Amino acid sequence: AQTVTQSQPEMSVQEAETVTLSCTYDTSESNYYLFWYKQPPSRQMILVIRQEAYKQQNATENRFSVNFQKAAKSFSLKISDSQLGDTAMYFCAFKSNTGNQFYFGTGTSLTVIP
Amino acid sequence: KAGVTQTPRYLIKTRGQQVTLSCSPISGHRSVSWYQQTPGQGLQFLFEYFSETQRNKGNFPGRFSGRQFSNSRSEMNVSTLELGDSALYLCASRGDLGVGTEAFFGQGTRLTVV
Repeated sequence: AQTVTQSQPEMSVQEAETVTLSCTYDTSESNYYLFWYKQPPSRQMILVIRQEAYKQQNATENRFSVNFQKAAKSFSLKISDSQLGDTAMYFCAFKSNTGNQFYFGTGTSLTVIP
Repeated sequence: KAGVTQTPRYLIKTRGQQVTLSCSPISGHRSVSWYQQTPGQGLQFLFEYFSETQRNKGNFPGRFSGRQFSNSRSEMNVSTLELGDSALYLCASRGDLGVGTEAFFGQGTRLTVV
C-alpha cells in the first residue's frame, strides 16, 4: 500500500520570503505521479503542481517548484516570494500509474505573515 | 466550463439517520471519487465510480455507499450515522486524458452529526 507523510503540521513564513514544505512517500512502484494541492479556507482543493516520476526534471509553476528525489522518495514544495493568498492547507498526494486512487498526506497548514 | 458541484454545502443530522450527498462532475468527466476529510486524518478515500461502475473502494464500513448515474452525477449515502461520521466530504472528478490526470475537487459538503 502507498503511504504519504507530511511531517510539518503547521508552518509560517513572512510575506515575500521562501518556504519549503516536506513530503515523503512509500511505494514499491516505479511509475507514478505526485501532486501538491492547496486548500484555502474556502475549502476548494486546487492543484498547485504535478510531477511525473519518470521525469528527472523538477516541475515548476511560476513561484512554485518541487524538489523530487525519487531514490529518497521525497517530494518537497518550495514557494518563493510568498504572498498572503498562499495561506492555506497544503496536501501532498500520490497516484500510481496503475490505480485510480489518490493517496493524500495529512496536510501542512501554511500561514503567510504580513 | 463549470467546476465540480457538490450539494448541499452544509448538513446537520442526528445519530442514526441517513444522509445522501450529491456531486456533479465537470462536464465530460466520467470518473468521480469521494473522500472523507477530518482533522488529523487528512483525506481518506471512500470510493471511485467510472461510467456508473464502482472501480475502487476504500476501507470504510458498508454504511457508506455510492452510485453514479448515466450523466456521471454521483451520490454518496451514509446510513445509521455515527458521531464519527462528522467530516468534510469531498468529491473529485477526472477526465480521460491519461493515468496522470489530476483530480478536480468540489467545495465539499460539511456534515455534522449530533
